[in-house]
Amino acid sequence: GQQVMQIPQYQHVQEGEDFTTYCNSSTTLSNIQWYKQRPGGHPVFLIQLVKSGEVKKQKRLTFQFGEAKKNSSLHITATQTTDVGTYFCAGKAGTALIFGKGTTLSVSS
Amino acid sequence: ETGVTQSPTHLIKTRGQQVTLRCSSQSGHNTVSWYQQALGQGPQFIFQYYREEENGRGNFPPRFSGLQFPNYSSELNVNALELDDSALYLCASSLGLATYNEQFFGPGTRLTVL
Repeated sequence: GQQVMQIPQYQHVQEGEDFTTYCNSSTTLSNIQWYKQRPGGHPVFLIQLVKSGEVKKQKRLTFQFGEAKKNSSLHITATQTTDVGTYFCAGKAGTALIFGKGTTLSVSS
Repeated sequence: ETGVTQSPTHLIKTRGQQVTLRCSSQSGHNTVSWYQQALGQGPQFIFQYYREEENGRGNFPPRFSGLQFPNYSSELNVNALELDDSALYLCASSLGLATYNEQFFGPGTRLTVL
């Protein structure tokens, strides 16, 4: 079945440093969604990418969808302590949303 | 607008018991999906309900079953609980079945099986 892989599993940065997480799918995706889960919380939708090569920005967050629609990335510029959490990418397979295992970001001030 | 709610928040059961978890979808949403999230893992799709019918199922055994009611709220039932069923159970609601619909997650039910 379809698999969605994310790297790295963990990332620790100093406040102000940049952060990137990468997502790869075993199959071509119709779209990809990104979620953030704070410690002890539930996944919260961040964004959806649909078009090949699409780039979207939300303040310090930049999301990219690969040309082949099999990979994606999330880049955070100048991290803040409020960015702490686990970032998941998820791709649709039929009715199911297949999540990666996530990248857990910790930030020290 | 009311968000997705789940009950109970926490639950402790023993092996072999049965459990029912409940979810109220966001106002106006007619689709509910259930996920199991083990510690340190991403959510895993259990099944989805659309207008009271099951509309897709992940790789979970038949002892995981569900219902959706006319008001679009939903239940997840798990029979013959096993230790590995210990996890955070999340429901997510969305409007319709379109591939591009955002899902809104509830706070989850933390199930511990002893």
